[in-house]
Amino acid sequence: QQQVKQSPQSLIVQKGGISIINCAYENTAFDYFPWYQQFPGKGPALLIAIRPDVSEKKEGRFTISFNKSAKQFSLHIMDSQPGDSATYFCAASGGNQFYFGTGTSLTVIP
Amino acid sequence: KAGVTQTPRYLIKTRGQQVTLSCSPISGHRSVSWYQQTPGQGLQFLFEYFSETQRNKGNFPGRFSGRQFSNSRSEMNVSTLELGDSALYLCASSLDVSGANVLTFGAGSRLTVL
Repeated sequence: QQQVKQSPQSLIVQKGGISIINCAYENTAFDYFPWYQQFPGKGPALLIAIRPDVSEKKEGRFTISFNKSAKQFSLHIMDSQPGDSATYFCAASGGNQFYFGTGTSLTVIP
Repeated sequence: KAGVTQTPRYLIKTRGQQVTLSCSPISGHRSVSWYQQTPGQGLQFLFEYFSETQRNKGNFPGRFSGRQFSNSRSEMNVSTLELGDSALYLCASSLDVSGANVLTFGAGSRLTVL
């Protein structure tokens, strides 16, 4: 049973455009929602994270939008750059165990 | 500050063999988790260790096992390898502070089973 569902599987965006990746979760006990970015040959690295007491968190060009009632959260990448091309994973945690989405491969075309 | 170190980075095995992967966490991190990453499946949780004790376990067969040493270094072992075990195995460490549990991943060990 997939605890966290992520879409789309792949995404192609023009440079300067907005990239949007969506995730949905089932367990209302989850209280921490991070996004990880992974480049080829590297392990995933924490990009940005949010807790359910806020509806939005912004760090530079990256924004998480969180909808607690719908049990959904999304990552928005503004002014997407070729250097943002990577695989993105959403995750949810209710303690010391994390559940990850299946990943989104983002390609930003120059 | 050194990151999470995983060895070996790449290895090739044949079906039926066994393999041991090693993970050195960030200094001071006491929790170590292992994940299997395959295309289309994302990161599948294997197990998590804290203070030499397995605290959580994912839905993998008993062929997958692990342990943690007193210095927080961890190893995972896969016995009787199958073709489907080919994957990137990721280790992550964390401080395990309640409310601020950030996972830091290593670069992974890529296992190919022939």
